[in-house]
Amino acid sequence: AQTVTQSQPEMSVQEAETVTLSCTYDTSENNYYLFWYKQPPSRQMILVIRQEAYKQQNATENRFSVNFQKAAKSFSLKISDSQLGDTAMYFCAFKEEYGNKLVFGAGTILRVKS
Amino acid sequence: GAGVSQSPSNKVTEKGKDVELRCDPISGHTALYWYRQSLGQGLEFLIYFQGNSAPDKSGLPSDRFSAERTGGSVSTLTIQRTQQEDSAVYLCASSLAGFANTGELFFGEGSRLTVL
Repeated sequence: AQTVTQSQPEMSVQEAETVTLSCTYDTSENNYYLFWYKQPPSRQMILVIRQEAYKQQNATENRFSVNFQKAAKSFSLKISDSQLGDTAMYFCAFKEEYGNKLVFGAGTILRVKS
Repeated sequence: GAGVSQSPSNKVTEKGKDVELRCDPISGHTALYWYRQSLGQGLEFLIYFQGNSAPDKSGLPSDRFSAERTGGSVSTLTIQRTQQEDSAVYLCASSLAGFANTGELFFGEGSRLTVL
């Protein structure tokens, strides 16, 4: 079974600085999908960014980018120019190519300080 | 509706009582998921519905848990004889058909269940 590990329970960053959240996963599949979801204090989860394993180019969405290292099974999220609204819990998630469900990590609480 | 709607937002119950949690997915979304989020833990998959197919119940933790989806839309998660360890936030999510190619789930705000 696939597992997703987020080794940083909590992190803090100053406003306008850059922070990187770590995620590793375990799978024997060759193709799959990886995601970062954000859960703000309102509790509603939203998708931040998605990466397809067969694409070597790292995904980017505005201030959010990933560092996808397939051989190392690592999928970190970099947030540039951090904003107060980035304060949330961030979940890394994995999905098999033809699977139906997402497997989530335990999450990392990110606090952006002014 | 505009988004995934869940009710109740918060539920406090006594140990041994039954509870029902409701999820109204985004109109047109054929896939519906229930996840459980316990304090300090990630999201635990519970059950998945896709159209008229048999649901994937592989994540239900015990036979006290059941879920149904009527008319391919609204879903109800039922927990019988609640235990204190059932206390958690129960999240519902929906997605379009062909989820396999997108991976984007649309989540509700969850139902926080507290079992005293």
